[in-house]
Amino acid sequence: GAVVSQHPSRVICKSGTSVKIECRSLDFQATTMFWYRQFPKQSLMLMATSNEGSKATYEQGVEKDKFLINHASLTLSTLTVTSAHPEDSSFYICSANTGGYGCTFGSGTRLTVV
Amino acid sequence: QKEVEQNSGPLSVPEGAIASLNCTYSDRGSQSFFWYRQYSGKSPELIMFIYSNGDKEDGRFTAQLNKASQYVSLLIRDSQPSDSATYLCAVEPYGGATNKLIFGTGTLLAVQP
Repeated sequence: GAVVSQHPSRVICKSGTSVKIECRSLDFQATTMFWYRQFPKQSLMLMATSNEGSKATYEQGVEKDKFLINHASLTLSTLTVTSAHPEDSSFYICSANTGGYGCTFGSGTRLTVV
Repeated sequence: QKEVEQNSGPLSVPEGAIASLNCTYSDRGSQSFFWYRQYSGKSPELIMFIYSNGDKEDGRFTAQLNKASQYVSLLIRDSQPSDSATYLCAVEPYGGATNKLIFGTGTLLAVQP
């Protein structure tokens, strides 16, 4: 089946630094990937749609200059949280379009900004 | 605003009982419907998808879709404590980007031993 690998699984960083999260489709090509954020006991919130070879589409209220998305190949999308602050601490999850049967999610990245 | 609504729960059922999870959606043109299970601290995993009206069965799980009433449900037979998780309903709206899913807030299911 379709597998999406996400790294790192956990990261702790200092306030003001940047963090990069990688999302890879291991056995299929993903022209579209999605980035979600989930705060404790809340639902998934779609942040942006990442399209291979073009600019990402951000959801309303998501700062594109703070959450940089790069989808340079058919198997890799990255999310960089720039100048992270404690309020950015959250569970970030990517998913990839598998071509017909929903999306497959990565294992998620728990970001803690101290 | 295209919305997907679920009762947040918790829904508590005894072990061995049938758990019934419900979801309604606002976009009448929605094409595809998915149920995901999310354990605490983990990412969602796909349980079932359904495209056509009626029932679809897979093991202990049955998805039911009624497009006229705009609801989709998930039945879990012979519920087990390991089924305790949050169940997310997701809908792919008509005209949306492929597989850009709209998620409900999820229903927390607690299966009591």
